[in-house]
Amino acid sequence: AQSVTQPDIHITVSEGASLELRCNYSYGATPYLFWYVQSPGQGLQLLLKYFSGDTLVQGIKGFEAEFKRSQSSFNLRKPSVHWSDAAEYFCAVGARSNDYKLSFGAGTTVTVRA
Amino acid sequence: EAGVAQSPRYKIIEKRQSVAFWCNPISGHATLYWYQQILGQGPKLLIQFQNNGVVDDSQLPKDRFSAERLKGVDSTLKIQPAKLEDSAVYLCASSLTGESYNEQFFGPGTRLTVL
Repeated sequence: AQSVTQPDIHITVSEGASLELRCNYSYGATPYLFWYVQSPGQGLQLLLKYFSGDTLVQGIKGFEAEFKRSQSSFNLRKPSVHWSDAAEYFCAVGARSNDYKLSFGAGTTVTVRA
Repeated sequence: EAGVAQSPRYKIIEKRQSVAFWCNPISGHATLYWYQQILGQGPKLLIQFQNNGVVDDSQLPKDRFSAERLKGVDSTLKIQPAKLEDSAVYLCASSLTGESYNEQFFGPGTRLTVL
């Protein structure tokens, strides 16, 4: 079975500072990995995804993520955070063998302070 | 392009009452998903439709939950009777098809509070 762990429940970061959100997955074969963002009152929006190839993936809103197979990780980063990045972030894993069904982590809430 | 629409946005009911949620997916999307998101947890898939047929309902508590997508477009999710532990946000998502990877687009969700 596939599963996702997001070790950090809540992160506070200053505006302009860098951000890194951790994600560890468990899956036997090559997973498809995703990061979603959920702003208050909004649905989930896909930030980026990794299927294969280059392990550093660029996404929308200036985010990037790096797939590290040896560490079973897919951490999300942003070099300089804006106040509008305050939201909840979810890592998810899917697989072709499971019809691309998504299993989500519990999420990390990001607070941005001025 | 209009996104996934859901209504109502909020609902408060007493336990043992019934409630129904409605979802209108993006036009042309064959696959529709219902997720349950309990506070402090990630979304959990309840049921997946491909057109008007059920692909996966293995996580749907069928003794109290039901869902339908009669004409392969709109869908309703019903809970009858509701329990306290059903308090959650119910998210609807749609994609072009579930047969290969296609991005899932999510609606804003319906927040259910069961008292």
